[in-house]
Amino acid sequence: NAGVIQTPRHKVTGKGQEATLWCEPISGHSAVFWYRQTIVQGLEFLTYFRNQAPIDDSGMPKERFSAQMPNQSHSTLKIQSTQPQDSAVYLCASSRLGGRGAETLYFGSGTRLTVL
Amino acid sequence: GDSVTQTEGLVTLTEGLPVMLNCTYQTIYSNPFLFWYVQHLNESPRLLLKSFTDNKRTEHQGFHATLHKSSSSFHLQKSSAQLSDSALYYCALSPASSGSWQLIFGSGTQLTVMP
Repeated sequence: NAGVIQTPRHKVTGKGQEATLWCEPISGHSAVFWYRQTIVQGLEFLTYFRNQAPIDDSGMPKERFSAQMPNQSHSTLKIQSTQPQDSAVYLCASSRLGGRGAETLYFGSGTRLTVL
Repeated sequence: GDSVTQTEGLVTLTEGLPVMLNCTYQTIYSNPFLFWYVQHLNESPRLLLKSFTDNKRTEHQGFHATLHKSSSSFHLQKSSAQLSDSALYYCALSPASSGSWQLIFGSGTQLTVMP
């Protein structure tokens, strides 16, 4: 079991450019979560999918952020027109979600996004 | 809305002393799940322990916590700190409502254990 795989590990973009982050959940896990981590804000929830369907995107900045899960083996987080304040570590996590709310989240190593 | 409060941003103590990291939460739902995640330097967060049973002590890797619904608390404790315990600790809440199952994290407590 390779765990949750996130690529790339590091990404540097110029202000205004687009960034796409990839996540491969653990095989057999039905839920995928995206979080953003900064020193100031800690772990901020962005969005999550269950059985590939978007369930809750209440944490997503609406205008420039979007997420998709086209199949059970990967999810993408896309940030358009990146801004310096988007600089953070973006963490993807997956869980079995067989039970209600008690599931363990397994985090990937994260993608460190730096916007110059 | 649902929230988690960790009052200490930074805790520094000497090896061998007891550890207590505070966590309180707010939710309208009566059966929440509470978690502690630990993140060591250059690693991703991983589960340390979790609970949903009121007044029952949960233990793992020398740490323990008890969910007290009466005070909405889930403090993390350890009797004797080790150097390897230095890490960032997050308390988290899953309201376990019928809707979203997102995990709501507190702001984190950085624990530094000195020799």
